[in-house]
Amino acid sequence: GESVGLHLPTLSVQEGDNSIINCAYSNSASDYFIWYKQESGKGPQFIIDIRSNMDKRQGQRVTVLLNKTVKHLSLQIAATQPGDSAVYFCAERWTGGFKTIFGAGTRLFVKA
Amino acid sequence: DTGVSQNPRHKITKRGQNVTFRCDPISEHNRLYWYRQTLGQGPEFLTYFQNEAQLEKSRLLSDRFSAERPKGSFSTLEIQRTEQGDSAMYLCASSPRQESNSPLHFGNGTRLTVT
Repeated sequence: GESVGLHLPTLSVQEGDNSIINCAYSNSASDYFIWYKQESGKGPQFIIDIRSNMDKRQGQRVTVLLNKTVKHLSLQIAATQPGDSAVYFCAERWTGGFKTIFGAGTRLFVKA
Repeated sequence: DTGVSQNPRHKITKRGQNVTFRCDPISEHNRLYWYRQTLGQGPEFLTYFQNEAQLEKSRLLSDRFSAERPKGSFSTLEIQRTEQGDSAMYLCASSPRQESNSPLHFGNGTRLTVT
């Protein structure tokens, strides 16, 4: 069935280090992928997205990598800051569909 | 703030009561979504509107749940005869159009507690 999952439920990093959050997806028809950040008591906030015709996209301190061969998505956060502490969700969608499917999330802890 | 607005932020109700939540999407967005999120889980799709038309309902949306978007602007989600299993965060999101693969913009949700 369609699903988006995450390899690690919790990630703890030292402030200033780089963070890598991984995600596996199972629907080979998915062609649009999104990373969201959710802080306590708030709704998910868009971070970065990537289409299936790309394998890498960079934003400000964040990079998303897409490996369609193994259906793997990752989010890299450079120079992680305490404000990056949150739950991160990957999500997928496919052309012609309207549902965005979310995984269970990874909680990122940033140690000062 | 021109983001997605949801009211109320919190709702505590007794089992068996009816509750209604409101969502005001970003004004130029014609697509509106409702999701439900339980602790430690990702948001689960409930229903989707394009303008005033409700185009899809998840099997998660039992007969006790009804959503409307009468004028293609704000939306309401009503839960009748609430059950303890309905306790969750109810999230609303909007997007301008699907073809551009634009991401969803979420509100901060309504947290429902059924006692």
